[in-house]
Amino acid sequence: EADIYQTPRYLVIGTGKKITLECSQTMGHDKMYWYQQDPGMELHLIHYSYGVNSTEKGDLSSESTVSRIRTEHFPLTLESARPSHTSQYLCASSRGADQTQYFGPGTRLLVL
Amino acid sequence: QKEVEQNSGPLSVPEGAIASLNCTYSDRGSQSFFWYRQYSGKSPELIMFIYSNGDKEDGRFTAQLNKASQYVSLLIRDSQPSDSATYLCAVWPGNQFYFGTGTSLTVIP
Repeated sequence: EADIYQTPRYLVIGTGKKITLECSQTMGHDKMYWYQQDPGMELHLIHYSYGVNSTEKGDLSSESTVSRIRTEHFPLTLESARPSHTSQYLCASSRGADQTQYFGPGTRLLVL
Repeated sequence: QKEVEQNSGPLSVPEGAIASLNCTYSDRGSQSFFWYRQYSGKSPELIMFIYSNGDKEDGRFTAQLNKASQYVSLLIRDSQPSDSATYLCAVWPGNQFYFGTGTSLTVIP
C-alpha cells in the first residue's frame, strides 16, 4: 500500500490567487513527480525531483513551481491561478533505480 | 507523433472472457513498460511491469512485450466487473515516464 498523501483533495479558487498543492510520502522515496491529467487524457509530467534540492521541469509547459527541501515533501505552487489550470494534479514517488511509481489520491482544482 | 498510443475504447467484454489491451510506443530505446489501472475519479495504481521480450504472468494478468514491433499488451483472463476501469500504458525510455491516454474497459455481468 502506497503511503503518499495529497492535500487538498478538492479546491475551488478564483483567478489570480496563489495556491500550493501539498504532497508528502512516508516511504523514503528519493524521486517525486507532479503530473497533470485532464479527463480522458494522458498524464503529463510537469515537474520532477530526484532528491533534495533537485527539481526539473517536465514536458508540459507550466506556470507552476516546485521545491524539494525535505525528502518526504514536494509542494507545487501556482503563483497566479488561471481557469486554464483547472485539472487534476497527481503526485507520485519512486525509489532509486526502480521506476515503479506510486500515486497519491490527486487534487482536483477548479479555477473560476 | 505521441510517445505512447493506446486505443481509447471503450472496450466491452462479458464477464469471464479475456480482455486484450494494446499499446504501441515510439522510442526504440525504451527499457521498461508498465500497466496501471485507474478507476473513475481515482489515481492510477500499478498492475504490473515488464522489461524483457515475451510474456509475464501475474494471477489473471499477462503482459506481453515485443520490442521489435514496439508493442506491449495486457491480457486479463476471467474478466470480472471489478476490472472495469481505464488501463494506462506507461513507457520509460530512460528519463521520464510517458503515459498513453488509456483504454476504457467495461466488463458486462
